[in-house]
Amino acid sequence: GQQVMQIPQYQHVQEGEDFTTYCNSSTTLSNIQWYKQRPGGHPVFLIQLVKSGEVKKQKRLTFQFGEAKKNSSLHITATQTTDVGTYFCAGPRGNTPLVFGKGTRLSVIA
Amino acid sequence: GAVVSQHPSRVICKSGTSVKIECRSLDFQATTMFWYRQFPKQSLMLMATSNEGSKATYEQGVEKDKFLINHASLTLSTLTVTSAHPEDSSFYICSARERFLAHEAFFGQGTRLTVV
Repeated sequence: GQQVMQIPQYQHVQEGEDFTTYCNSSTTLSNIQWYKQRPGGHPVFLIQLVKSGEVKKQKRLTFQFGEAKKNSSLHITATQTTDVGTYFCAGPRGNTPLVFGKGTRLSVIA
Repeated sequence: GAVVSQHPSRVICKSGTSVKIECRSLDFQATTMFWYRQFPKQSLMLMATSNEGSKATYEQGVEKDKFLINHASLTLSTLTVTSAHPEDSSFYICSARERFLAHEAFFGQGTRLTVV
């Protein structure tokens, strides 16, 4: 089964509110990636985190990689309707370089 | 970013028939391609990893003889669903990694398979 656990499964927010999704692994990850999948679309790569404690920002999106490299988070500030979609974290498992978490489905109410 | 083209985008087939899905990297060489299956409102489940010129590595529980994967060139991988059954109906997505940009995976548009 999947090694990377992701919560929450669903999140409904009012436009303008913040949103955070969390990813946890039972083992240390060499890296973690984040993807966004719009309804009906395919996953699109957002970012990769590699270093312990790393924080990266992309406009309103902030990505963090935990000090122990076992957890990660994606935070969106002041959500917009264009943020709607499912956000997946993905990490390596054994020799497989990319295994996905269950995803967090974000809906934004205007 | 790099482009991965997956074809067909939708296919309906009868039970017992076989369906081939193609995944092409259009502007880069993909040494590794991944095949995923995604059921409605669920995550992507890795089915197999294929490396150019070698046999695919299948995930536990995925039948090799049912889901045939061929990665004969650096730009093309195919997934053939043999003797399809209604329970095989799903969204199949391929992804590819560029030889020199190994951390980012580029996804095809996906194939919606419906077996009737």
